[in-house]
Amino acid sequence: AQSVTQLGSHVSVSEGALVLLRCNYSSSVPPYLFWYVQYPNQGLQLLLKYTSAATLVKGINGFEAEFKKSETSFHLTKPSAHMSDAAEYFCAVSERGSYIPTFGRGTSLIVHP
Amino acid sequence: NAGVTQTPKFQVLKTGQSMTLQCAQDMNHNSMYWYRQDPGMGLRLIYYSASEGTTDKGEVPNGYNVSRLNKREFSLRLESAAPSQTSVYFCASGQLAGVQDTQYFGPGTRLTVL
Repeated sequence: AQSVTQLGSHVSVSEGALVLLRCNYSSSVPPYLFWYVQYPNQGLQLLLKYTSAATLVKGINGFEAEFKKSETSFHLTKPSAHMSDAAEYFCAVSERGSYIPTFGRGTSLIVHP
Repeated sequence: NAGVTQTPKFQVLKTGQSMTLQCAQDMNHNSMYWYRQDPGMGLRLIYYSASEGTTDKGEVPNGYNVSRLNKREFSLRLESAAPSQTSVYFCASGQLAGVQDTQYFGPGTRLTVL
């Protein structure tokens, strides 16, 4: 069975600092992996996804994530945080051929001026 | 192209009342989903429909029913609302059978059960 763990329910950074949001997964086979972002009072939207084409995945708004099979991780990073990055971030895993992705509990990113 | 739309945006119910949450997508997706989002719990799947004419239970189906009316529409019904069903409900659609593997979410319905 697949599962996702997001370390840290809240992450606080200063504007201009590195953003690192952690995601570890468990899956019996190499899965599809996703990061979604949720801005206040909105639905989730896709930031980026890993589908085995490349281990380093670039997404929107300057975010990227690296798939590390040996560590079963898919951490999300951004070199320089912006105030507009403040949001809730969700990691999700979907096994190939499955209709049912599993979501992590989310990490709230707080950006200080 | 509106994507995924949900109605209503907000709703307040009294315990025991019933209501139906509506969801529609215009992306010709086969799969549709209903989630609830509660603080600290992330998204939990209530029901999903892999294709028109099929529905299946997710992680937390108790107290809910669904109807896949056609390829576009997927409704969620609360027959007898309870305070534990106070939550934000999201509908999503997707094509999770291929490399697309992305879900598209509606804006949510904020439900309070008194």
